[in-house]
Amino acid sequence: QVQLVESGGGVVQPGRSLRLSCAASGFTFSRYGMHWVRQAPGKGLEWVALLSYDGNNKYYADSVKARFTISRDNSKNTLYLQMGSLRTEDTALYYCAKALGIAVAGPDSWGQGTLVTVSS
Amino acid sequence: EIVLTQSPDFQSVTPKEKVTITCRASQSIGSGLHWYQQKPDQSPKLLIKYASQSISGVPSRFSGSGSGTHFTLTINSLETEDAATYYCHQSISLPLTFGQGTKVEIK
Repeated sequence: QVQLVESGGGVVQPGRSLRLSCAASGFTFSRYGMHWVRQAPGKGLEWVALLSYDGNNKYYADSVKARFTISRDNSKNTLYLQMGSLRTEDTALYYCAKALGIAVAGPDSWGQGTLVTVSS
Repeated sequence: EIVLTQSPDFQSVTPKEKVTITCRASQSIGSGLHWYQQKPDQSPKLLIKYASQSISGVPSRFSGSGSGTHFTLTINSLETEDAATYYCHQSISLPLTFGQGTKVEIK
């Protein structure tokens, strides 16, 4: 079955960078778009970014555009989120999720999340 | 940006009761609307895709309907395990967006 395992979260100071990873298994990774979705403590879900199956099309929420970069390595079945110029409001549980299709489609399977805390 | 507004924000329901949650979109999104269930300390789970399509393994008491700007998630005969927060999500227009969530509590 689909398995998504996020890693790379932690405590980081404002203005610094962090890279999240998501290891995928149980499906043909290179055939699906992939999302990052976050959830601030006690809050709702916020879509962050989406990457097409081949890595050529990237889409971002306005709140992270120009600061975050989504990428993937299909040879390693791994999705990444490079987070820069971090702000306290970026504190959240970050989920990796498989898309329903090759590009712009909603998430179906989700990982357990990795916690990012931005604090001085 | 398409805004999704769910109602109600909170609902306290007795077991076996029918639950209806609505999601209204600020613009037409056809059938590009999905429903998720998130139980406490768990990741979200897809319940319904493309407004009304069922998902393998999801109990048949969960159903979805609607198109355009008005969508509904129905839980027939609520069970105690259905206590959770429910979210709608649109994947038609970028940026993708989620509703604010509806928390369902069991009386």
